[in-house]
Amino acid sequence: SQQGEEDPQALSIQEGENATMNCSYKTSINNLQWYRQNSGRGLVHLILIRSNEREKHSGRLRVTLDTSKKSSSLLITASRAADTASYFCATPSWGGYNKLIFGAGTRLAVHP
Amino acid sequence: GAGVSQSPSNKVTEKGKDVELRCDPISGHTALYWYRQSLGQGLEFLIYFQGNSAPDKSGLPSDRFSAERTGGSVSTLTIQRTQQEDSAVYLCASSLDPGPYEQYFGPGTRLTVT
Repeated sequence: SQQGEEDPQALSIQEGENATMNCSYKTSINNLQWYRQNSGRGLVHLILIRSNEREKHSGRLRVTLDTSKKSSSLLITASRAADTASYFCATPSWGGYNKLIFGAGTRLAVHP
Repeated sequence: GAGVSQSPSNKVTEKGKDVELRCDPISGHTALYWYRQSLGQGLEFLIYFQGNSAPDKSGLPSDRFSAERTGGSVSTLTIQRTQQEDSAVYLCASSLDPGPYEQYFGPGTRLTVT
């Protein structure tokens, strides 16, 4: 079964607006990662946040992690049409680092 | 530098035929993973290699699926006697080692079984 669940499943916004996606997971984690997928093909790693971190920034991306609630959020600020993609959170399987368990993803559409 | 490459990019095969999917990881990456993404589904882990050995094969859906890795580099995923439910995008990823590092994904192979 999937470890993470993203919310919402789909999000439609205008360019310039912010987009927030949430992820919940079930078991203890060492880290949580966010990936982007364009057109149903290869994934691109966006950001990794470790369990002892609460917030991390990378350009227009901001990720938060709340281990007490087993949840994470990805915020994309000042969105662009090029941000249109599916976004997935992923966590290593419990007890190991080698297997990422992905959520179902959030489909983001940014309209010009 | 070169990223993860996969071939073929698309494969259409008839039910019952065998197929081989190839993955060329980033040079120096010791860890290699195969995932599958079916239409409308999330990504599903298949198998993990550390070097040439596969300590975790738990995601392979049936004994029709097998994979090998040679020279600590190229990996081949083989599906025997393909079924229509095998239709999916097969993604390969590599990472520096099995630690808490990001994984670098290839563009995937879209397999269609008719």
